[in-house]
Amino acid sequence: NAGVTQTPKFRVLKTGQSMTLLCAQDMNHEYMYWYRQDPGMGLRLIHYSVGEGTTAKGEVPDGYNVSRLKKQNFLLGLESAAPSQTSVYFCASSYLGPGDTQYFGPGTRLTVL
Amino acid sequence: AQSVAQPEDQVNVAEGNPLTVKCTYSVSGNPYLFWYVQYPNRGLQFLLKYITGDNLVKGSYGFEAEFNKSQTSFHLKKPSALVSDSALYFCAVRDVAGNTPLVFGKGTRLSVIA
Repeated sequence: NAGVTQTPKFRVLKTGQSMTLLCAQDMNHEYMYWYRQDPGMGLRLIHYSVGEGTTAKGEVPDGYNVSRLKKQNFLLGLESAAPSQTSVYFCASSYLGPGDTQYFGPGTRLTVL
Repeated sequence: AQSVAQPEDQVNVAEGNPLTVKCTYSVSGNPYLFWYVQYPNRGLQFLLKYITGDNLVKGSYGFEAEFNKSQTSFHLKKPSALVSDSALYFCAVRDVAGNTPLVFGKGTRLSVIA
């Protein structure tokens, strides 16, 4: 049981490049979340999904897109990366809604030059 | 709107001493409250949560937290700190009513000194 996994672990992009971060969970969870963590800012929710085929905006959605084509996967896309998107990105999942315990992946450290 | 505050960026405590990490919250109704811990270069791990019932919640690794509705607080405590408790601790809240996502505090870095 791998839990929540994230690919890749590290990435360096140039301004304007695009990339996709992949999150996968094997716990049959309905809800999935993408957060970014910045020093002094805590965790901020980017987008989330309440089930396969659904997505919703979080606190800081601008510059990101997401897709949940399969229940176990949640993709986060950056169409045109900016230095302000340099951050550590965490994916999480929960069986029920936000009142349920969330399980986090190990994170992806992204640097945009 | 819901919000959570962790008033201390850093807490230092000697090994063996009791520790407290503070959290206050604001919701319009009743809260769900959580504590998570993050060790270096790792994702967050669940420690404990308050949903309803007993105000004293016991969690992993000997941690506990007390829900105080009148003071809108949910402080994390441990009777005797270990060096291995050194980590970043996050409090999180959401309103029971409605469908809003969890909101995290900015985190408190705990350093336990041998």
